[in-house]
Amino acid sequence: DTEVTQTPKHLVMGMTNKKSLKCEQHMGHRAMYWYKQKAKKPPELMFVYSYEKLSINESVPSRFSPECPNSSLLNLHLHALQPEDSALYLCASSHIQGARYEQYFGPGTRLTVT
Amino acid sequence: GENVEQHPSTLSVQEGDSAVIKCTYSDSASNYFPWYKQELGKRPQLIIDIRSNVGEKKDQRIAVTLNKTAKHFSLHITETQPEDSAVYFCAATTNAGGTSYGKLTFGQGTILTVHP
Repeated sequence: DTEVTQTPKHLVMGMTNKKSLKCEQHMGHRAMYWYKQKAKKPPELMFVYSYEKLSINESVPSRFSPECPNSSLLNLHLHALQPEDSALYLCASSHIQGARYEQYFGPGTRLTVT
Repeated sequence: GENVEQHPSTLSVQEGDSAVIKCTYSDSASNYFPWYKQELGKRPQLIIDIRSNVGEKKDQRIAVTLNKTAKHFSLHITETQPEDSAVYFCAATTNAGGTSYGKLTFGQGTILTVHP
């Protein structure tokens, strides 16, 4: 299995809602990433998990809360979002050992905050 | 931190022509340089990558070159086809500070359009 999967594909939520994005991979990767991508822009790194521990938080607002329950799953909990948080949220994974940094992206969740 | 600049921002070619996209990076410690292709509404897809101990790598119609001294790398697509139309992102990463994974810094992207 060489895929990263994400659910849901689309999400519309109000500013007072709580929702979660899910990401799963079965490639044995021990590094997992959350990116935010606005239209016509490159992905922006939000969080990195290494061996299920949060390793990088790129100064992301606390209304985004990541969680890594096990080596295959990555969640992003959303609460009290703003309209400017509307974007494509991409999950990625990679190996850690040696220099095998290839990151493989999931299809993303298109989030709209109303 | 790392800074990656990518040019051109848009590139229009005729089918069968070659396309070249160039990137420069700032951190001499960067050691891995992937290229991603992203079609409209799709995920970024890794198409080719190169490591700092290699000067050139080729995969069918796609090649990447790296000049460590000048800190720039380029993507070359030969015999372009309409299905090559997409946004292409270069990226650089470094195993800095003892971290054991790659923190990608992306260029701003190039919109490639291949006209039939």
